[in-house]
Amino acid sequence: EDQVTQSPEALRLQEGESSSLNCSYTVSGLRGLFWYRQDPGKGPEFLFTLYSAGEEKEKERLKATLTKKESFLHITAPKPEDSATYLCAVQANYGQNFVFGPGTRLSVLP
Amino acid sequence: AAGVIQSPRHLIKEKRETATLKCYPIPRHDTVYWYQQGPGQDPQFLISFYEKMQSDKGSIPDRFSAQQFSDYHSELNMSSLELGDSALYFCASSPEGHRLAQYFGPGTRLTVL
Repeated sequence: EDQVTQSPEALRLQEGESSSLNCSYTVSGLRGLFWYRQDPGKGPEFLFTLYSAGEEKEKERLKATLTKKESFLHITAPKPEDSATYLCAVQANYGQNFVFGPGTRLSVLP
Repeated sequence: AAGVIQSPRHLIKEKRETATLKCYPIPRHDTVYWYQQGPGQDPQFLISFYEKMQSDKGSIPDRFSAQQFSDYHSELNMSSLELGDSALYFCASSPEGHRLAQYFGPGTRLTVL
């Protein structure tokens, strides 16, 4: 069974304090790994797609990396507006649906 | 840029009533997905459609049905509503449906009383 776990469950950072979020997955044939940001009561906002081990993507203060078993979302010098829940999802080769992880709730304090 | 449109944004129903949620995908996106997200939970996949045909099925109850129309919009029909159906329902769309990100709509918040 495809499974996605994320750690930590919650993370509190001071503004400017860099850190990383982890997404570990087991899937029978990875088609893609996706990172989303979700604000309370809103739809997930697409951030990155990673397809193969070794791949990296960057956007502003965020950088996502992928290995064969996990992905990391690195946040460099975060700002309070980066506070949100960050969701990781995988898509297997055999289907189109996403399997989401439980998310990491990030709070960045000014 | 155009985004996924969902309507209504909020819906309140009584137990055993029916509800219909609508989703209008991003233009030129031919695949639609439905997800249910309970309070404090991650989105759970319900069902997807590609070119108006059901393409994948997840944990969708038998009381729910969905379809995609010729203009690619989709409707999720929910009958015999239960208290546990209260959740955020998201629709997402993607072009071609393979190896591409799913873009989510703002969601419909369904409350069953």
